[in-house]
Amino acid sequence: GENVEQHPSTLSVQEGDSAVIKCTYSDSASNYFPWYKQELGKRPQLIIDIRSNVGEKKDQRIAVTLNKTAKHFSLHITETQPEDSAVYFCAACTQGGSEKLVFGKGTKLTVNP
Amino acid sequence: NAGVTQTPKFQVLKTGQSMTLQCAQDMNHEYMSWYRQDPGMGLRLIHYSVGAGITDQGEVPNGYNVSRSTTEDFPLRLLSAAPSQTSVYFCASTLTEGVSEAFFGQGTRLTVV
Repeated sequence: GENVEQHPSTLSVQEGDSAVIKCTYSDSASNYFPWYKQELGKRPQLIIDIRSNVGEKKDQRIAVTLNKTAKHFSLHITETQPEDSAVYFCAACTQGGSEKLVFGKGTKLTVNP
Repeated sequence: NAGVTQTPKFQVLKTGQSMTLQCAQDMNHEYMSWYRQDPGMGLRLIHYSVGAGITDQGEVPNGYNVSRSTTEDFPLRLLSAAPSQTSVYFCASTLTEGVSEAFFGQGTRLTVV
């Protein structure tokens, strides 16, 4: 089955710096790659996603890139703010749909003022 | 719309007890899933359903049962609780059409003593 590896497990940056989180997946049939943000004690919430027919997607300060050949995708956050502090999860989806997401183990991002 | 609603939010069980975690969604989503979240492990799929009357196992199904008698509800049953089932449980739902966002409930924090 699918396996998703996520790095780093913790990331600390200064406010205004950029943050990059990387994930690799094992199943070449995976076709959907969402990123979720989870604040302490809250539910995971989708912040951006990308499909396998797209190489890059941006939404304001957040971007995701996908390299299908290398089977890895990355989350880029620019101009980080303290409210970006949270745990971020990448996920991959193979056959079917988002009912069978396989998640990475998460990255705890801390943005220091 | 309330989205995805889980009850209870917190629960303490004794080893060997059984209970049902409730999940309901009002978005008319066909797909629903249950995940458990443990520290450092990300979210792992327990069971999922692609429609009323249809369920299937995920990565960690042992000790759990599900049923899907209606589109709206997807309860998760713990048959005989064990300390290893201490976790935070999230229910999620997603649209049928193609691959799209999974919406999560607020979670149930379960402690088995």
